Amino acid sequence: GENVEQHPSTLSVQEGDSAVIKCTYSDSASNYFPWYKQELGKGPQLIIDIRSNVGEKKDQRIAVTLNKTAKHFSLHITETQPEDSAVFFCAVHNAGNMLTFGGGTRLMVKP
Amino acid sequence: NAGVTQTPKFQVLKTGQSMTLQCAQDMNHEYMSWYRQDPGMGLRLIHYSVGAGITDQGEVPNGYNVSRSTTEDFPLRLLSAAPSQTSVYFCASSPRGGGGADEQFFGPGTRLTVL
Repeated sequence: GENVEQHPSTLSVQEGDSAVIKCTYSDSASNYFPWYKQELGKGPQLIIDIRSNVGEKKDQRIAVTLNKTAKHFSLHITETQPEDSAVFFCAVHNAGNMLTFGGGTRLMVKP
Repeated sequence: NAGVTQTPKFQVLKTGQSMTLQCAQDMNHEYMSWYRQDPGMGLRLIHYSVGAGITDQGEVPNGYNVSRSTTEDFPLRLLSAAPSQTSVYFCASSPRGGGGADEQFFGPGTRLTVL
């Protein structure tokens, strides 16, 4: 089955700095790559996603880049704010009806 | 719309007991799924359904049963609870039967402890 690895597991940045989280996957047939944010005590929420025919997608301070050849994709958050502090998950969808998640990254933004 | 709702929010069971975690959505979504979340392991798919009457196994199905008699409801049954099933359980839904290739809408979760 699909194997998704996410790094780092924890990330601490100063307010205003950028944060980058990386994920690698194993199945070259994978075609959809979402990122979810989970705040304490809540379910995950989609923040951005990218499909295999696109290399980069941006939404205000958040961007995702995809390298299908190398089988990795990354989440970039610029101008971080304390309210960005949360756990972030990458996920991968392949030909089956399943979504496989990475292990998560706890992001802490220090004021 | 209430979105995806889950009950109960918290539950404590003894080893060997059975119970049903309820999940309902009012968005007319075709795809529904159950995940468990354990520290450092992300979310792992237990079972999923691409429509009423259709269910399939995910990554970690052992010890769990599901059924989908209506579009709205997707209950998860623990047949004989074990301490290894202590976890936070999330139900999710998405609009199309193609499942994971769409935005997943998650419920608030059920925290289950098995003693």
